[in-house]
Amino acid sequence: SQTIHQWPATLVQPVGSPLSLECTVEGTSNPNLYWYRQAAGRGLQLLFYSVGIGQISSEVPQNLSASRPQDRQFILSSKKLLLSDSGFYLCAWKGTGNTIYFGEGSWLTVV
Amino acid sequence: AQSVSQHNHHVILSEAASLELGCNYSYGGTVNLFWYVQYPGQHLQLLLKYFSGDPLVKGIKGFEAEFIKSKFSFNLRKPSVQWSDTAEYFCAVTVPGGSQGNLIFGKGTKLSVKP
Repeated sequence: SQTIHQWPATLVQPVGSPLSLECTVEGTSNPNLYWYRQAAGRGLQLLFYSVGIGQISSEVPQNLSASRPQDRQFILSSKKLLLSDSGFYLCAWKGTGNTIYFGEGSWLTVV
Repeated sequence: AQSVSQHNHHVILSEAASLELGCNYSYGGTVNLFWYVQYPGQHLQLLLKYFSGDPLVKGIKGFEAEFIKSKFSFNLRKPSVQWSDTAEYFCAVTVPGGSQGNLIFGKGTKLSVKP
């Protein structure tokens, strides 16, 4: 069966520091992968999606970037974090029938 | 652009009360509709989904949702809630064949069930 994992689960980083959140999917090949952010009171916002290795589409302009160095690996990064980057980040993949399945999430607090 | 509206930010109910969470979407064509649930400290899980066919969809844990095309709605219901239903609920829509099947989410509704 397919599984998705992301880490770290929680992260406290100072303003201006770099960020790297990693996500891997197992049990499927060439999945569509997504990064969402859930900020308080704002619901879920799609940040990036990827349909294949090296292919990244950004949905909103921001201080973050994404990369897909391998088929089942999706990384969310920042060179310099801002306070406004704090939130709950979710990696996800698309299964059959357009159903999206989510990872456990990563809490990022920028201080 | 498509959007999803969830009418209630926070709903507080007593156990055994009936639940209905509203969800409306803005898109005139065919859509796929979803409800996701996030229990405290857990990841988002799929509760139920509608693609086509019977507009009354049954999901896990006694939840159901009804797709009413004329009202652009997909409300979530449960006849009798339990304390364990305390969670945040997200309605979502995707357009078949749309941009990579990306989900558009509502802002979520927090449900608190008092024992």
